Amino acid sequence: SQELEQSPQSLIVQEGKNLTINCTSSKTLYGLYWYKQKYGEGLIFLMMLQKGGEEKSHEKITAKLDEKKQQSSLHITASQPSHAGIYLCGVKGQGGSEKLVFGKGTKLTVNP
Amino acid sequence: SAVISQKPSRDICQRGTSLTIQCQVDSQVTMMFWYRQQPGQSLTLIATANQGSEATYESGFVIDKFPISRPNLTFSTLTVSNMSPEDSSIYLCSAQTNPYGYTFGSGTRLTVV
Repeated sequence: SQELEQSPQSLIVQEGKNLTINCTSSKTLYGLYWYKQKYGEGLIFLMMLQKGGEEKSHEKITAKLDEKKQQSSLHITASQPSHAGIYLCGVKGQGGSEKLVFGKGTKLTVNP
Repeated sequence: SAVISQKPSRDICQRGTSLTIQCQVDSQVTMMFWYRQQPGQSLTLIATANQGSEATYESGFVIDKFPISRPNLTFSTLTVSNMSPEDSSIYLCSAQTNPYGYTFGSGTRLTVV
């Protein structure tokens, strides 16, 4: 089965700093989802990347998919306390499964 | 995009009892999913629920412990049966709202005492 490894596991940054979260897959990536979870709440959809080399941005968050490296990165520019939460990457299951499989998440803290 | 209302948002239950969690989607969806998120962990899929058929359970999860209903295309329930403290988790429902889109409920924080 496909596994996703996220790094770092946790991250503490000062407000205004840039940061990057990585998600590495054990198998070829055919598409990848990024979600954000506020502590103890549901998941908020950020972006979905479908093709190698694809890059998407929403406000100050940019995500890229590097198919060759089987990796995706999520970059936040000029972080704010509102960016704090757990960032999760996910992929569809193998063999045409429609379920999503997630990495273990990266916990982001932004200090004012 | 679709919106999912999940209830209850939190509950504290006695061991040995059962809790039913409800998810209502504001549009018709074919596939719904139930996840468990144990403290400090990522999401683990419990089962996939399609309308008109039995739920499909992942390894380690059984119907007797987590019975699921899917009576129509907008609603599903998950019951956590005969609860123990190990069942204390956040439970989340999700719906596939288009081939590439997944929406999540706001979660149910369950504490078993």
